Amino acid sequence: DQQVKQNSPSLSVQEGRISILNCDYTNSMFDYFLWYKKYPAEGPTFLISISSIKDKNEDGRFTVFLNKSAKHLSLHIVPSQPGDSAVYFCAASAFGNEKLTFGTGTRLTIIP
Amino acid sequence: ETGVTQSPTHLIKTRGQQVTLRCSSQSGHNTVSWYQQALGQGPQFIFQYYREEENGRGNFPPRFSGLQFPNYSSELNVNALELDDSALYLCASSLPQGQGNYGYTFGSGTRLTVV
Repeated sequence: DQQVKQNSPSLSVQEGRISILNCDYTNSMFDYFLWYKKYPAEGPTFLISISSIKDKNEDGRFTVFLNKSAKHLSLHIVPSQPGDSAVYFCAASAFGNEKLTFGTGTRLTIIP
Repeated sequence: ETGVTQSPTHLIKTRGQQVTLRCSSQSGHNTVSWYQQALGQGPQFIFQYYREEENGRGNFPPRFSGLQFPNYSSELNVNALELDDSALYLCASSLPQGQGNYGYTFGSGTRLTVV
């Protein structure tokens, strides 16, 4: 039972344009959401997070949007840079439960 | 500030053998979690340790066990290895939920191959 889904295994975006990565979840107990970025041969690196009491969180070029009614979140990267090419994982947790539930990842390729 | 370090980086074992993977947590972090990432999948939660005790477990059989030491470092032990145990094993350290920014710091992982 995949509680966190990233339906796009890959995405290619031109350098300088906006990258939008999507994530859907099914567990209504999830109240905290995170995005991680992973390069080959490295562990995931925390990128940005959002609590369920917010619908938007911004950090530099990265913005995460949360639509609780649709159980959907998205990560926007503007402008996209070649160094953003990596696999991006969406993850979720429920308060009081320490485990993170990850999606299967989206491979983002930025085309120079 | 040191990050999370894992050893070894790569390992090849034979089916039926036992393996121990090691993890040193980031300075200041007292909680350690282990994840298994199979090829093409996202990381799957194995278990978490806080104050040297297991603090939550995912859907993994008892042959997956762990330890946390007083210095917060941790070990993951897997007995009776099966071919499907081949994966990247990730260790992550954190502060307990509610203490500071919640977000794991992951190590680079141990790539285990079972043949």
